Amino acid sequence: DQQVKQNSPSLSVQEGRISILNCDYTNSMFDYFLWYKKYPAEGPTFLISISSIKDKNEDGRFTVFLNKSAKHLSLHIVPSQPGDSAVYFCAAGGYGNKLVFGAGTILRVKS
Amino acid sequence: KAGVTQTPRYLIKTRGQQVTLSCSPISGHRSVSWYQQTPGQGLQFLFEYFSETQRNKGNFPGRFSGRQFSNSRSEMNVSTLELGDSALYLCASSLASGGGSPLHFGNGTRLTVT
Repeated sequence: DQQVKQNSPSLSVQEGRISILNCDYTNSMFDYFLWYKKYPAEGPTFLISISSIKDKNEDGRFTVFLNKSAKHLSLHIVPSQPGDSAVYFCAAGGYGNKLVFGAGTILRVKS
Repeated sequence: KAGVTQTPRYLIKTRGQQVTLSCSPISGHRSVSWYQQTPGQGLQFLFEYFSETQRNKGNFPGRFSGRQFSNSRSEMNVSTLELGDSALYLCASSLASGGGSPLHFGNGTRLTVT
């Protein structure tokens, strides 16, 4: 069963605009969530995380929102830059460092 | 600070053989986790080691095993290789185990089984 879902396989955004990547989860036992970015031939790079007791966390151009009642989180990138083009994974954790990853969303930022 | 180092980067093996992959974590990190990435299944958790003890294990057969040394370096072993074991194997290190401590990934070992 897919406990973490990223329903959009891809997203295309104009440079300077906002990118919104979405993620849904089913397991209410998850107590923290993370977003990773991945370029081809490289490992995932940590972007930002959020604890289940918060509903928002910001770090520069990146903001993650968590809606626990809807079991939904989103990553906002403002403004989007061409270098942001990559695959974005959301991940959820609850015990140790066992993370459950979504399938990823390919973000293309057009200049 | 050096990142997570995985060796080798690429590996080609034949069905039935065994393979050992190596991971050196970021200095000071005591937790090392292993993940498998395939096009069909995405990123899946294999196991986590913390202070030389296996802390957590994913849903993989016993052919997949690992260990961690006193310097936090880790190895994973896959015995009796099958074609379906072809994947990118990623190692990640973290300061702590759990609590939202972010995992920092290496660039992976690409294993091809023929």
